Amino acid sequence: EPEVTQTPSHQVTQMGQEVILRCVPISNHLYFYWYRQILGQKVEFLVSFYNNEISEKSEIFDDQFSVERPDGSNFTLKIRSTKLEDSAMYFCASSTDRGNQPQHFGDGTRLSIL
Amino acid sequence: DQQVKQNSPSLSVQEGRISILNCDYTNSMFDYFLWYKKYPAEGPTFLISISSIKDKNEDGRFTVFLNKSAKHLSLHIVPSQPGDSAVYFCAAEKTGYALNFGKGTSLLVTP
Repeated sequence: EPEVTQTPSHQVTQMGQEVILRCVPISNHLYFYWYRQILGQKVEFLVSFYNNEISEKSEIFDDQFSVERPDGSNFTLKIRSTKLEDSAMYFCASSTDRGNQPQHFGDGTRLSIL
Repeated sequence: DQQVKQNSPSLSVQEGRISILNCDYTNSMFDYFLWYKKYPAEGPTFLISISSIKDKNEDGRFTVFLNKSAKHLSLHIVPSQPGDSAVYFCAAEKTGYALNFGKGTSLLVTP
């Protein structure tokens, strides 16, 4: 069964450093998403992406964050200058359509900021 | 801002019995609802969904019920199996917008 893959599984970074999280969505999916889950809290929406544009973003997704689809398969989340509070599990998801179609999630990247 | 609430953090059920997981939402604009299952160190796995035009959707041992007037949905697992032990997340969206998740219910199915 096709799946969303994320790399790395665990990323440890010094505060203030840039980090790039990578995702390969399911190949025939057109909509891409990033979510995060801080330890002990609920899964929170960050951003959605379609047709090489951000279609929606949350308040969390400030100027420190950016997303990119650099080629036909990868979808990346960049955090420019990481803060301690960016430590979380980051999940990538994809779907065939927007609305009334399930989003399928990867296994996440655990980001630890020191 | 908790638009989706799962008020039971945990649930323990005997193997073979029914598991009922509950979820409440506050936003009447939500029109698509999903249940995800999550094992440790894995991402959420889609389980079952329901559109607001329906009140029930069934897939094998899993049935989701939607009560729009009460803004309540539930997931029934019959019969429960030890492999069903996981965290179950309820999620809701207004079509075309972000998924909103509950905090999850940890289900333990005991032999």
